[in-house]
Amino acid sequence: KAGVTQTPRYLIKTRGQQVTLSCSPISGHRSVSWYQQTPGQGLQFLFEYFSETQRNKGNFPGRFSGRQFSNSRSEMNVSTLELGDSALYLCASSPGGTSSYNEQFFGPGTRLTVL
Amino acid sequence: LAKTTQPISMDSYEGQEVNITCSHNNIATNDYITWYQQFPSQGPRFIIQGYKTKVTNEVASLFIPADRKSSTLSLPRVSLSDTAVYYCLVANYSGAGSYQLTFGKGTKLSVIP
Repeated sequence: KAGVTQTPRYLIKTRGQQVTLSCSPISGHRSVSWYQQTPGQGLQFLFEYFSETQRNKGNFPGRFSGRQFSNSRSEMNVSTLELGDSALYLCASSPGGTSSYNEQFFGPGTRLTVL
Repeated sequence: LAKTTQPISMDSYEGQEVNITCSHNNIATNDYITWYQQFPSQGPRFIIQGYKTKVTNEVASLFIPADRKSSTLSLPRVSLSDTAVYYCLVANYSGAGSYQLTFGKGTKLSVIP
């Protein structure tokens, strides 16, 4: 099976702009989660989508949003970019379901630099 | 939400057993403990998951004491390729597929020849 893919791999934006990142999960996986990784804060959970619905949300401002399509592909959007949004954004997929937390499969990430 | 604490870094010689401990003092009854490995320029990779006592798979063991306030990832006979950052994660399950995730800051393991 192909792994989780993320596009683009690298992105440079300026303050105030917005950005959209894309994630294609492993075939058959219905859950997609997004994480922000920075040297200072480490790995932080942004949100999770399951069957096109946001199921969980971390403590990030409303500038961070996402959505999931019927084919389970997901996009994450950050509006009004700030310098502090520079980070590695990771997407992870899992089979999902309503039972306990599942093993997640991570993509390689999108490196966002805000100038 | 549980808070997790783990050592920032560890060094080990090849062939030795490495134990990395994560503290999660306020872990809740429904929380699961998971460990991930991350290499530079890659996303984290699942190693092992447990709820209590001991879990073993082909690459690692996870020891969880009865009070569950800590967990220890054990890597037997490490090699140079085990040099990576290791994260513990506590997942609080709150029903209906909903959970909150708290990652540790990561432990950078350096394996020395």
